Amino acid sequence: ETGVTQTPRHLVMGMTNKKSLKCEQHLGHNAMYWYKQSAKKPLELMFVYSLEERVENNSVPSRFSPECPNSSHLFLHLHTLQPEDSALYLCASSQRPGTGGSYGYTFGSGTRLTVV
Amino acid sequence: KNQVEQSPQSLIILEGKNCTLQCNYTVSPFSNLRWYKQDTGRGPVSLTIMTFSENTKSNGRYTATLDADTKQSSLHITASQLSDSASYICVVSAYNDMRFGAGTRLTVKP
Repeated sequence: ETGVTQTPRHLVMGMTNKKSLKCEQHLGHNAMYWYKQSAKKPLELMFVYSLEERVENNSVPSRFSPECPNSSHLFLHLHTLQPEDSALYLCASSQRPGTGGSYGYTFGSGTRLTVV
Repeated sequence: KNQVEQSPQSLIILEGKNCTLQCNYTVSPFSNLRWYKQDTGRGPVSLTIMTFSENTKSNGRYTATLDADTKQSSLHITASQLSDSASYICVVSAYNDMRFGAGTRLTVKP
């Protein structure tokens, strides 16, 4: 384990469902991120939180809704998704936002999402 | 536009052989470059980090090089093992921005 835990590991949901992805870090980091990873594409930054405050939203559709109740937890709420939203969703944390500081980003293992 | 391009997209080698993965970037102003290893079904894990003044950095059988003048980096894997099968991602940072390459998928066969 890297210190960043994501649940569930796999999720299959219909287009009308509502589900949530959870991320938890015990590294004392101040920034947390959601990334989308599609096959053969670079990681796409979705959301950045610094000290529980959202500092970046990269034009993500409103069917993705993040929540950061405290500096250790991050959620991604999903509703009315499309099949093209199927991907690996990675959570990451870092000492500070931006380039992450000296140690960079620590990633979770991801949630493999399939929208049917 | 800040870009990171990796080649090849995929690579198959026999166990015990060496290989080299390439990363070209246009990110500016350059801050640092990291190589990550991502096993199937896992998140990326950092292998090396290099700043502007560093030309080479080793981590066991992994050796990364950086040419900041030509904006190129390589990751050399020596005496490959089956466990080296993974995606290798090059990440280049400007002072407040990070850019990810699409990765190279390496398969090591017995």
